[in-house]
Amino acid sequence: DAGVIQSPRHEVTEMGQEVTLRCKPISGHDYLFWYRQTMMRGLELLIYFNNNVPIDDSGMPEDRFSAKMPNASFSTLKIQPSEPRDSAVYFCASRGGILNSYNEQFFGPGTRLTVL
Amino acid sequence: DQQVKQNSPSLSVQEGRISILNCDYTNSMFDYFLWYKKYPAEGPTFLISISSIKDKNEDGRFTVFLNKSAKHLSLHIVPSQPGDSAVYFCAASTGNQFYFGTGTSLTVIP
Repeated sequence: DAGVIQSPRHEVTEMGQEVTLRCKPISGHDYLFWYRQTMMRGLELLIYFNNNVPIDDSGMPEDRFSAKMPNASFSTLKIQPSEPRDSAVYFCASRGGILNSYNEQFFGPGTRLTVL
Repeated sequence: DQQVKQNSPSLSVQEGRISILNCDYTNSMFDYFLWYKKYPAEGPTFLISISSIKDKNEDGRFTVFLNKSAKHLSLHIVPSQPGDSAVYFCAASTGNQFYFGTGTSLTVIP
């Protein structure tokens, strides 16, 4: 099992540009989570999906952020336009339903985003 | 507002001694608590967890203690090894809502 796959691993962009982060969850997992890690706030949950449907996006900081999950094996997190304060490490995580692994999430390696 | 707090950003311990990492939370509705370990340039990996109906869970060198009245949990690593050097995040959950602390960077000195 390859685990959760994220791309790109590093992204450097200029303020105002559109950024798209990608995630492939573990096959068979029906929950997918997007997190942002900063020094000040640690890991913050941005949004999570169940069976490809967004369930809670209350953590998405602004309308500049959007996330989609068009199918069970792919999700994107888009920032448009990007700002320097969006610089952080963004993690994707997935987990199986309650019958598989209660509450344990499996994280991808993260995407380090730098907005200049 | 941080619902899960790790007040010690860093901790250094001698190899072979005990490492104690602490975590406080504010929401009494949390029913499951987890510890994750994170190496540089990698995602967090699950380490150990505890349900709110228990006050202790042990897995090898790792033990998590939960004090619900104080809204406090701790992770004990005995004996500490250099490979344990990493950032440790505690997390608390209710349903699918997860709240993580800011992490404690543990350094185990050989």
